[in-house]
Amino acid sequence: AQTVTQSQPEMSVQEAETVTLSCTYDTSESDYYLFWYKQPPSRQMILVIRQEAYKQQNATENRFSVNFQKAAKSFSLKISDSQLGDAAMYFCAYRRGGGSQGNLIFGKGTKLSVKP
Amino acid sequence: DTGVSQDPRHKITKRGQNVTFRCDPISEHNRLYWYRQTLGQGPEFLTYFQNEAQLEKSRLLSDRFSAERPKGSFSTLEIQRTEQGDSAMYLCASSTGTGFGYTFGSGTRLTVV
Repeated sequence: AQTVTQSQPEMSVQEAETVTLSCTYDTSESDYYLFWYKQPPSRQMILVIRQEAYKQQNATENRFSVNFQKAAKSFSLKISDSQLGDAAMYFCAYRRGGGSQGNLIFGKGTKLSVKP
Repeated sequence: DTGVSQDPRHKITKRGQNVTFRCDPISEHNRLYWYRQTLGQGPEFLTYFQNEAQLEKSRLLSDRFSAERPKGSFSTLEIQRTEQGDSAMYLCASSTGTGFGYTFGSGTRLTVV
């Protein structure tokens, strides 16, 4: 079975600094997708960034980028120029590719605090 | 389209009562998912619909839980004979046929007293 592990329950970063959130996963599949979701206190999950496993190039979305190491099964999220609005729970998630039903498997999350 | 809507936002019920939650997905999304999230944990998959067909159910979905998606539009999740362990946030999400680009609703927070 696939699993997703986030080893940092909490992280803190100074405003305008850079922070990296860690995620590792376990799968025997070769075709899959990885995601980072943000969940602010309002509780609605918001997609931050996604990565297709077949793509070697790391995904980037504005201040958010990932370091995807397929062989190591690692998928970390880097947040640059951190803003107060980045404070939230961050979840790493995995989804099988191909014709699967596509449900997401989530890690336990990392609570990110941003200090002014 | 205003996204995925869930109703109610909060529900407090007494142990043993039945509750029903509703989810209205994005209209062009044919896939609909239910997840449960307890405090301090990531969401856990409960069940999945493609159009009106319920194609997958997690082992977390006990016999007291039932979900429907009549006509492939909105979905309901019913919990019968609620227990304190059912207290959680119930999240609904929808996606297109590729299963990419999930959109989550704001969830229904259930408290069983």
